[in-house]
Amino acid sequence: QKEVEQDPGPLSVPEGAIVSLNCTYSNSAFQYFMWYRQYSRKGPELLMYTYSSGNKEDGRFTAQVDKSSKYISLFIRDSQPSDSATYLCAPRGYSGGYQKVTFGTGTKLQVIP
Amino acid sequence: KAGVTQTPRYLIKTRGQQVTLSCSPISGHRSVSWYQQTPGQGLQFLFEYFSETQRNKGNFPGRFSGRQFSNSRSEMNVSTLELGDSALYLCASERGVSNTGELFFGEGSRLTVL
Repeated sequence: QKEVEQDPGPLSVPEGAIVSLNCTYSNSAFQYFMWYRQYSRKGPELLMYTYSSGNKEDGRFTAQVDKSSKYISLFIRDSQPSDSATYLCAPRGYSGGYQKVTFGTGTKLQVIP
Repeated sequence: KAGVTQTPRYLIKTRGQQVTLSCSPISGHRSVSWYQQTPGQGLQFLFEYFSETQRNKGNFPGRFSGRQFSNSRSEMNVSTLELGDSALYLCASERGVSNTGELFFGEGSRLTVL
């Protein structure tokens, strides 16, 4: 079983829709929960992160972490064609004796105008 | 501020050959990590270097190696290439002292093994 599981999609939604992207994880030591966005032919870039459980909002994006169920979510409101990308959840914490970040496989999102 | 630079961007090799990829991190960043990205497996951690020392290592065979120079630039090498090594190799840098660990990625080196 992978430490981080993420539905690969692809997910196709109309412009303006609310998008929900999710991950589950198994390592209780994860403390920081990051979301990276990767456009085609580019490297990933950090979108936002949360520390421990709770919500964090940044514009149209909301990150949510429930450590009790080991569930990570990213919500995108009023989705735009420019949001079309692959979204990778990336929890970070001690794993195998050292601090590291573990990436999900990514969910490919397409927002149709 | 210049971003992370990876060279070459694209390369084609044949089985059995070796390849060296280069990464120049953001100025002031002392940590460089390497990842292999494939459609089926996603981003898999290869290794991390901090101040010229390998700090962490992923679960890859010994054919994959790396090093970091005193100016923080890093190289990774793959010897005796196999078809399954075809992937996008991403380099990421960070300052190396933050728990949040925001990684700054380059655009990657896309390796095709024939």
